[in-house]
Amino acid sequence: IQLTQSPSSLSASVGDRVTITCRASQGISSYLAWYQQKPGKAPKLLIYAASTLQSGVPSRFSGSGSGTDFTLTISSLQPEDFATYYCQQLNSYPLFGGGTKVEIK
Amino acid sequence: EVQLVESGGGLVKPGGSLRLSCAASGFTFSNAWMSWVRQAPGKGLEWVGRIKSKTDGGTTDYAAPVKGRFTISRDDSKNTLYLQMNSLKTEDTAVYYCTTGLNGDPRVFDYWGQGTLVTVSS
Repeated sequence: IQLTQSPSSLSASVGDRVTITCRASQGISSYLAWYQQKPGKAPKLLIYAASTLQSGVPSRFSGSGSGTDFTLTISSLQPEDFATYYCQQLNSYPLFGGGTKVEIK
Repeated sequence: EVQLVESGGGLVKPGGSLRLSCAASGFTFSNAWMSWVRQAPGKGLEWVGRIKSKTDGGTTDYAAPVKGRFTISRDDSKNTLYLQMNSLKTEDTAVYYCTTGLNGDPRVFDYWGQGTLVTVSS
């Protein structure tokens, strides 16, 4: 299974709605998680089972999709959201997407 | 409070060996599946391998690039996870994270250590 994230990077402003896509090369049901990573820090779990928000994660983050196509949406980008985001499939061995860097416009 | 603390990183020559440790606390370590994930400088995340809990067989799985060179083990009496790395290559240079999933699906990594840097260079 391969995971393809797009875009690889994007520039956005505070308050923007941001959508990141993750596509699996074969169906993985809802076995997908999303992580946020800031420079020099360990990744942080945001969403699992494609759409379940991890405890303590702000509600502006949401996930959707099943099968092969998934999205992570940030409804209103905040300054602390500038980071790199990774999807991860759980269907067989864990595999991460290539990452999407969200930068300040 | 769950804590994962990696140690053992450093500079090693190509072909050399290194053993990383991950000291765990704040949860029942023996019940947890534990994984290693690495990140090469400026690159994305790469799953290295995992060891299941003994109740789930205690088996190990590895990513293709490290299979046959890396060995994951655990000492439940010491709440410690290990990564033995042999025949190291320059492309193994990375920050190595210890991680686990404690809330439901053990494949979802909700706790991470701070990472330890391994540099393979002559």
